[in-house]
Amino acid sequence: ETGVTQTPRHLVMGMTNKKSLKCEQHLGHNAMYWYKQSAKKPLELMFVYNFKEQTENNSVPSRFSPECPNSSHLFLHLHTLQPEDSALYLCASSQPAGGLGRINNEQFFGPGTRLTVL
Amino acid sequence: DQQVKQNSPSLSVQEGRISILNCDYTNSMFDYFLWYKKYPAEGPTFLISISSIKDKNEDGRFTVFLNKSAKHLSLHIVPSQPGDSAVYFCAAQAGNQFYFGTGTSLTVIP
Repeated sequence: ETGVTQTPRHLVMGMTNKKSLKCEQHLGHNAMYWYKQSAKKPLELMFVYNFKEQTENNSVPSRFSPECPNSSHLFLHLHTLQPEDSALYLCASSQPAGGLGRINNEQFFGPGTRLTVL
Repeated sequence: DQQVKQNSPSLSVQEGRISILNCDYTNSMFDYFLWYKKYPAEGPTFLISISSIKDKNEDGRFTVFLNKSAKHLSLHIVPSQPGDSAVYFCAAQAGNQFYFGTGTSLTVIP
């Protein structure tokens, strides 16, 4: 496997379910991201992890819980979601620039997970 | 409120001609700009970028122009090829934050 992979590619869940999205990157990067893309809206950055530490959380509701056990894996745990959470969830990775933890490089995206909440 | 805007949802261009995709932004703190290309059922792929200290960056058929005073950037593709048909996203960076536009769907007609 090369690049950034995401599983599952499609997920349908009820509002009371608990599920997890998985992202894995094989690029040796140290920064990983979760994005949400809703219909007719731009990609919205949700979370940023830099060297396994969460550096950004863009006011995401607590029903979304990220986990980064190592620099190659990123999870998004989902519980008690709402129908408006239905969207494409994209994972990305990049190589952080040196010093000050600044991330200043192009991101490599996975194919996304299409989530439908009933 | 969107900080990065792509006001043209779609663009059609004849093969061999120039494609110009536009992007406007509002935040003067953005210091790095990127263009991504997306095919259906795939994630976006990086195309070209430009630092705010430059006004032009070229890579083969792709050139990005940055006009900081107008807070405007554009992507030129010349000559356009049918394989360039995709959705193009403009993105801007400030610190560890990235902001994307809604995309422009480019169709290159053979």
